[in-house]
Amino acid sequence: QAVVTQEPSLTVSPGGTITLTCGSSSGAVTSGHWPYWFQEKPGQVPRTLIFDATNKHSWTPARFSGSLLGGKAALTLSGAQPEDEADYYCLLFYDGVGVFGGGTKLTVL
Amino acid sequence: QLQLQESGPGLVKPSETLSLTCSVSGGSVSSCAYFWGWIRQTPGKGLEWIATMYCGGNIHYNPSLKSRVTISADTSKNQLSLKLNSVTAADTAVYYCAAPRYQWGQGTLVTVSS
Repeated sequence: QAVVTQEPSLTVSPGGTITLTCGSSSGAVTSGHWPYWFQEKPGQVPRTLIFDATNKHSWTPARFSGSLLGGKAALTLSGAQPEDEADYYCLLFYDGVGVFGGGTKLTVL
Repeated sequence: QLQLQESGPGLVKPSETLSLTCSVSGGSVSSCAYFWGWIRQTPGKGLEWIATMYCGGNIHYNPSLKSRVTISADTSKNQLSLKLNSVTAADTAVYYCAAPRYQWGQGTLVTVSS
């Protein structure tokens, strides 16, 4: 089974921009992996921010965007807010089975 | 609005079968507008995908759990179910059902202990 890799932790300044990435041990991440990004805050259920690499929901703040970048899936936060401090998980699909990354703990400081 | 709610025993004995139900409202488990997933979360291992159900009953299992897990849908009750047999302490986790594109259930803690 493939291993999905994320940065364990990142720090961004308020108002700053940061990109979280999601790589695959099986090679480049493509749209065929249907990349997802979830935000999880303490005591809360994970919330879907991005699906199918680039698509947002109505509840996804406009400052979040998803892309495929350099063989990885990427989540870019432009204009970080204190409330964006959370754990972020990516999810990739391989032949119908999901594999999560280990998560990135994002600190806004 | 799509909502999911897991239910089932919070305590299961080792070697027995863990059985959970996910009640879905605001959408149909048979609709091709959704696909469904069972997921678990432990402090040590993070999030782990258990199984996927696509419309038409197309099911895919995590290879590491495939020999012990079964998922299904009851369209008459609009529910999903998860069964995991021969459980051990390593199966202690918060179990979620989800329509990953849209919504997760609140999760239910299942502890495996005698």
